[in-house]
Amino acid sequence: DAEITQSPRHKITETGRQVTLACHQTWNHNNMFWYRQDLGHGLRLIHYSYGVQDTNKGEVSDGYSVSRSNTEDLPLTLESAASSQTSVYFCASSESPNTGELFFGEGSRLTVL
Amino acid sequence: GNSVTQMEGPVTLSEEAFLTINCTYTATGYPSLFWYVQYPGEGLQLLLKATKADDKGSNKGFEATYRKETTSFHLEKGSVQVSDSAVYFCALSLYSTLTFGKGTMLLVSP
Repeated sequence: DAEITQSPRHKITETGRQVTLACHQTWNHNNMFWYRQDLGHGLRLIHYSYGVQDTNKGEVSDGYSVSRSNTEDLPLTLESAASSQTSVYFCASSESPNTGELFFGEGSRLTVL
Repeated sequence: GNSVTQMEGPVTLSEEAFLTINCTYTATGYPSLFWYVQYPGEGLQLLLKATKADDKGSNKGFEATYRKETTSFHLEKGSVQVSDSAVYFCALSLYSTLTFGKGTMLLVSP
């Protein structure tokens, strides 16, 4: 079965370190998204991509970057981790950018000390 | 801009009780509307959707009707089960952008 996987599922890091969260999907979807989930804020869009070599900023993109070198992967990089980036991160993909029907990974819990 | 407002939780119910979770939206056009569910420790899953006014989405005993006149998409279930305990997110999609509400936690006790 097609799926979307995230790694690591849990990570603890220190302020100032670079962190990369991996996202891999086997749906062959062109559209991929990164969200963060925080209490009281729900889900907020960080970055998204509509295809290889395409990346776009979302609502809360400061301090984050993504790259899309193939269809399957959209890694999320925190260039210099800050305590405010402690959160649960979700990757998602969709067949069409217009349907609103997203398939989510199980999440990556990041703690920045 | 677009926004989604959900009732704050947690909503605490006994098994077999009737469930309503309110959702209202603000949008600059005619969005599609969704309910997603997040079980503990998991990612979100699409529960149901409606793409135009007066459409009713339904799945697993849950229903929601797209009400354009009241800009609402309330989630209902006639008889909840313990296994329905989760966080429920209302969302709208417009011009390739998906906007989520903050989520409502549902706790169902035996």
